[in-house]
Amino acid sequence: DIQMTQSPSTLSASVGDRVTITCRASQSISYWLAWYQQKPGKAPELLIYKASSLESGVPSRFSGGGFGTEFTLTISSLQPDDFATYYCQQYNSYPRTFGQGTKVEIK
Amino acid sequence: QVQLVQSGAEVKKPGASVKVSCKVSGYILSEVSMHWVRQAPGKGLEWMGSFDPEDVETIYAQKFQGRVTMTEDTSTDTAYMELSSLRSEDTAVYYCATGPEEMAGLVYWGQGTLVTVSS
Repeated sequence: DIQMTQSPSTLSASVGDRVTITCRASQSISYWLAWYQQKPGKAPELLIYKASSLESGVPSRFSGGGFGTEFTLTISSLQPDDFATYYCQQYNSYPRTFGQGTKVEIK
Repeated sequence: QVQLVQSGAEVKKPGASVKVSCKVSGYILSEVSMHWVRQAPGKGLEWMGSFDPEDVETIYAQKFQGRVTMTEDTSTDTAYMELSSLRSEDTAVYYCATGPEEMAGLVYWGQGTLVTVSS
């Protein structure tokens, strides 16, 4: 199985900050990576697919990058609505593993 | 408008089975790949399995092999996930999820079904 490791596990930031979350795969997954945002008590929401493609309706302050084994999710200017937990998921092969999550907290 | 509507919360005793349903509207179920993901209280997302359209078979995470069965009733566009031999560690919210293309992420999610396993 491909292991997905996110860092950091928790991130404290302020409104307006630029934040970056990293996701590393234990082997190459090409660009088959998605990012999800989840708020408490809600289902996850897709932000980014194919490593860097922005899902329709997602604000442009979110961007994704990377290829192979290292990927990033960047929020260019953190907004109050962005305080949530973020997960990466690889879909290069089965099982479709998730990272452990990164909680973005208010500083 | 695509919607995935799941069945309600369940309370089960250890050793029992649970069957969660996911009714799809706005899509034809046979034309998409349905995934099941669970989340234990305070924990992360865990992929359980999905239909592989390329090999035309259902793939299960090894952790659940032998205990989980994912089926579909295409006449009602309803997907099902049945988990047997329940233990307390199976207490979680179970989600169904899908998207218009298998390789474009999980766009649509059900609202989640809380399954509580307790004696």
